[in-house]
Amino acid sequence: DTAVSQTPKYLVTQMGNDKSIKCEQNLGHDTMYWYKQDSKKFLKIMFSYNNKELIINETVPNRFSPKSPDKAHLNLHINSLELGDSAVYFCASSHPAGTGDGEQFFGPGTRLTVL
Amino acid sequence: DQQVKQNSPSLSVQEGRISILNCDYTNSMFDYFLWYKKYPAEGPTFLISISSIKDKNEDGRFTVFLNKSAKHLSLHIVPSQPGDSAVYFCAASARTSGTYKYIFGTGTRLKVLA
Repeated sequence: DTAVSQTPKYLVTQMGNDKSIKCEQNLGHDTMYWYKQDSKKFLKIMFSYNNKELIINETVPNRFSPKSPDKAHLNLHINSLELGDSAVYFCASSHPAGTGDGEQFFGPGTRLTVL
Repeated sequence: DQQVKQNSPSLSVQEGRISILNCDYTNSMFDYFLWYKKYPAEGPTFLISISSIKDKNEDGRFTVFLNKSAKHLSLHIVPSQPGDSAVYFCAASARTSGTYKYIFGTGTRLKVLA
């Protein structure tokens, strides 16, 4: 019974294409995140949503557009894919961050390769 | 600007011995520090956290120590077990725009040798 799931697990595509990654959590959390782990292994926050509302947007190119149809889902759509977008993308969720020690639950990651 | 640093990319330890993973940070405004553990092809999982007002937090075999003056924290695993072999990420949180943002280090790969 997966808590945070992402699809697809692997995504290989050509430069210039548009692709989406889906994320769903069944934990009843209000807050969801997208992180990018690049080739240097940095795990960087991209977006955070609380109850379907965008609360963190970390200077990500506007080719990346998150969409939260409901608080259990946070999808990531990427337009005009570039080579530098190749990375592992992790979705995560947590209870609202009333304090900074809120545990985040991560999905298994989506490895995106842009050729 | 790397605010959270894990300078050792890898560490090997014998089973039963202590594993010490280190993390340094630059931002004195961080409120909480967290450790996550990651197995291959899985997402990180939360391990233990510590508030900036404490200097130690213990949970079973895992203890986190915080030295605020040195802006340094460490995770001790005693005794180390082969199942502890994974990548360990240090993270720090700071309040921003009404919520908390988490900054992660680059991870340390721990290998526990049987």
